[in-house]
Amino acid sequence: EAGVAQSPRYKIIEKRQSVAFWCNPISGHATLYWYQQILGQGPKLLIQFQNNGVVDDSQLPKDRFSAERLKGVDSTLKIQPAKLEDSAVYLCASSRGGETQYFGPGTRLLVL
Amino acid sequence: AQSVAQPEDQVNVAEGNPLTVKCTYSVSGNPYLFWYVQYPNRGLQFLLKYITGDNLVKGSYGFEAEFNKSQTSFHLKKPSALVSDSALYFCAVRDFAPSGTYKYIFGTGTRLKVLA
Repeated sequence: EAGVAQSPRYKIIEKRQSVAFWCNPISGHATLYWYQQILGQGPKLLIQFQNNGVVDDSQLPKDRFSAERLKGVDSTLKIQPAKLEDSAVYLCASSRGGETQYFGPGTRLLVL
Repeated sequence: AQSVAQPEDQVNVAEGNPLTVKCTYSVSGNPYLFWYVQYPNRGLQFLLKYITGDNLVKGSYGFEAEFNKSQTSFHLKKPSALVSDSALYFCAVRDFAPSGTYKYIFGTGTRLKVLA
């Protein structure tokens, strides 16, 4: 069974630029999560999808972050415009409903 | 709201010695608890979980965790540490999301360093 795929693995941008991350979950997993992990901290949930609907985006900075999961499969997370404090690892995870989450390798973002 | 705490930022242990990484939780109702490991430049990997049943849960790579309801703890253990176990370990608890589905709350992580 293929794991969660993410791309790109690394991205360096300047502040005020925009960036997008892509995630393809494990086949059959209805629930998809995007986390932000700042160096030295635990993952913080940004947004959670159930199929193609948002079930929790309470910690998503909606003035600059957006996410979509068209067709209930893969998902894109966008930041526009980026700030220095957005430098972090962005992790995607998927699960069958509320069962165990499986994580992708993450995208490491550096904003200069 | 549910929460977990990992009181140690770092744990050092000699190779071959037993290791323990601590986690305490605060929940209403029955806890669903998880341990994940993160190697450098990698995502989190699932190690084990407790939902119900036996208080001693066995997981991947020889790890196990002991659920203790009276002490509200879920410590991760391994009888004999390997240098390759050196990584960042996260405890997590499952909580209910506003929509009625589930979300996960992660601890701040404990860095395990196994010394040769």
